[in-house]
Amino acid sequence: NAGVTQTPKFRVLKTGQSMTLLCAQDMNHEYMYWYRQDPGMGLRLIHYSVGEGTTAKGEVPDGYNVSRLKKQNFLLGLESAAPSQTSVYFCASSRIQGTLTVGELFFGEGSRLTVL
Amino acid sequence: DQQVKQNSPSLSVQEGRISILNCDYTNSMFDYFLWYKKYPAEGPTFLISISSIKDKNEDGRFTVFLNKSAKHLSLHIVPSQPGDSAVYFCAASLVPGNQFYFGTGTSLTVIP
Repeated sequence: NAGVTQTPKFRVLKTGQSMTLLCAQDMNHEYMYWYRQDPGMGLRLIHYSVGEGTTAKGEVPDGYNVSRLKKQNFLLGLESAAPSQTSVYFCASSRIQGTLTVGELFFGEGSRLTVL
Repeated sequence: DQQVKQNSPSLSVQEGRISILNCDYTNSMFDYFLWYKKYPAEGPTFLISISSIKDKNEDGRFTVFLNKSAKHLSLHIVPSQPGDSAVYFCAASLVPGNQFYFGTGTSLTVIP
């Protein structure tokens, strides 16, 4: 069972270049998330989606765009990469959050992006 | 502004002893809390959670305590094992809610 898969695992970009990170989950989860992890900052939410065709901004959305055309996929795009976007990016998914309980996040292995 | 804080970046503990990892939060509306464990080059994995209607939750060697009045939670690992060496993140969520807010993490080293 693959769980949450991220591609690519590593990427080096030059300032101004664009790229897309792909996240795929096979758990039939409704919710999907993109986080970035930076030293001393923990995990910060970039964008999330509560279902196919819907997306919303998280804590640090600037410079990123997302799309959720299929339930199992969540794409994170950088239109014009900047050195400040050098980070490790994690995709996560979860079941629908209920009114009384919270379903935990399942994370991918991460994608390390370096912007020169 | 960081709503979930882990003020200890690192912690070292002898094997067999207790590890106590702390987490503070500022938003009194949070009512569900989770702990995640992360090994290098891997994604975080869920460890244990607690609802705000409880003050303690146990799962094997792991116990999470919640003090709502102090807006503080802690993770106890007893006994600590070398395989527990990892970065631990606490996270908080509203119920119902769509977002999880993470702390900055504490790197635990268990010394054999």
